[in-house]
Amino acid sequence: EPEVTQTPSHQVTQMGQEVILRCVPISNHLYFYWYRQILGQKVEFLVSFYNNEISEKSEIFDDQFSVERPDGSNFTLKIRSTKLEDSAMYFCASSGTHSNEQYFGPGTRLTVT
Amino acid sequence: SQQGEEDPQALSIQEGENATMNCSYKTSINNLQWYRQNSGRGLVHLILIRSNEREKHSGRLRVTLDTSKKSSSLLITASRAADTASYFCATDTGGFKTIFGAGTRLFVKA
Repeated sequence: EPEVTQTPSHQVTQMGQEVILRCVPISNHLYFYWYRQILGQKVEFLVSFYNNEISEKSEIFDDQFSVERPDGSNFTLKIRSTKLEDSAMYFCASSGTHSNEQYFGPGTRLTVT
Repeated sequence: SQQGEEDPQALSIQEGENATMNCSYKTSINNLQWYRQNSGRGLVHLILIRSNEREKHSGRLRVTLDTSKKSSSLLITASRAADTASYFCATDTGGFKTIFGAGTRLFVKA
């Protein structure tokens, strides 16, 4: 069964450093998403991406965040200058069509020290 | 209250019992989805119910949607210890943004 994969599973970085989180969505999916979940809290929407551009983004997704689909398979989230409060699980998701179920990856745990 | 709020926050039941979790939301939706998350893991999609549907079943899961009350419920029948997880509702309001609730932590005692 196809699945969304994410790398790395755990990333530790120092405050101020740039990180890139990688995702490989399900191959025939067209809609891509990033979410984050701070430990013990709810899943928060960050951004959605379709047709090589951002469809919608939340207030959390400020100028330090960016997304890219550099090739036909990868979908990346870049955090330019990490802060302590960026420590969280980051989940990638994809869906085949708009308003259909989203398939989530296993997440990347980002720890900013 | 926020879009997509579940209650109860936590639920502890015996194996074999039914578990009911509720979700309320504020704005009109295109669809509502329920997800399960085991501790520290990714989210698993359970059921999607569209705004023009009132009830949906999948195995031991039953989801209802009442758009007039802006609420949904997830019923897990004959629960098992393996059902222990957090359950989230998520609403799609027609844009490209899915809003998750805070979740219900379900603990099923063997």
